[in-house]
Amino acid sequence: NAGVTQTPKFQVLKTGQSMTLQCAQDMNHNSMYWYRQDPGMGLRLIYYSASEGTTDKGEVPNGYNVSRLNKREFSLRLESAAPSQTSVYFCASSVVWVNNEQFFGPGTRLTVL
Amino acid sequence: EDQVTQSPEALRLQEGESSSLNCSYTVSGLRGLFWYRQDPGKGPEFLFTLYSAGEEKEKERLKATLTKKESFLHITAPKPEDSATYLCAVQATNAGKSTFGDGTTLTVKP
Repeated sequence: NAGVTQTPKFQVLKTGQSMTLQCAQDMNHNSMYWYRQDPGMGLRLIYYSASEGTTDKGEVPNGYNVSRLNKREFSLRLESAAPSQTSVYFCASSVVWVNNEQFFGPGTRLTVL
Repeated sequence: EDQVTQSPEALRLQEGESSSLNCSYTVSGLRGLFWYRQDPGKGPEFLFTLYSAGEEKEKERLKATLTKKESFLHITAPKPEDSATYLCAVQATNAGKSTFGDGTTLTVKP
């Protein structure tokens, strides 16, 4: 099992460009999450999907959109990137939303110039 | 609003010097408290879940305990390979998400 995979690993964007971060899990988990982590800080939830077909906002959703493509895949889209979105982005999954033991991907390091 | 505060921010220990990390939390109703380990440049790795006050869990040199207001991660006789950032998170009852603290960065010197 690969667990949670994320692509790309690194990305540099210019202000105003758009991009989609991809996440996939092969553990048959129902719930998936997108976080950002800034230096010296913990994880802040951007969006989550408690189950296939549902998505909800987290703490910091502004400037982002998500799509739960199917049970395995959960993508994060930046429509018009801003320097404030420079961060490391982590995708995670858990078996069900009532038990939040999460399994994380390796992260995407994004720089917006 | 759920809140999680971890202390200290950073902890430096000599190999073999036992210590504890603290996680204080405020939550309307606790469904679970989670500990994760994060190595530099990697995603967090799940360690423990605690559900109710008085519960304890152990894994190698780590033991996590829970009270109604805080959790402790005790590290006994640490080794350099225990160096990492340790994150605490809480999940409220009926919430589909967790709130994370900022973490404690542990450095163990040989």
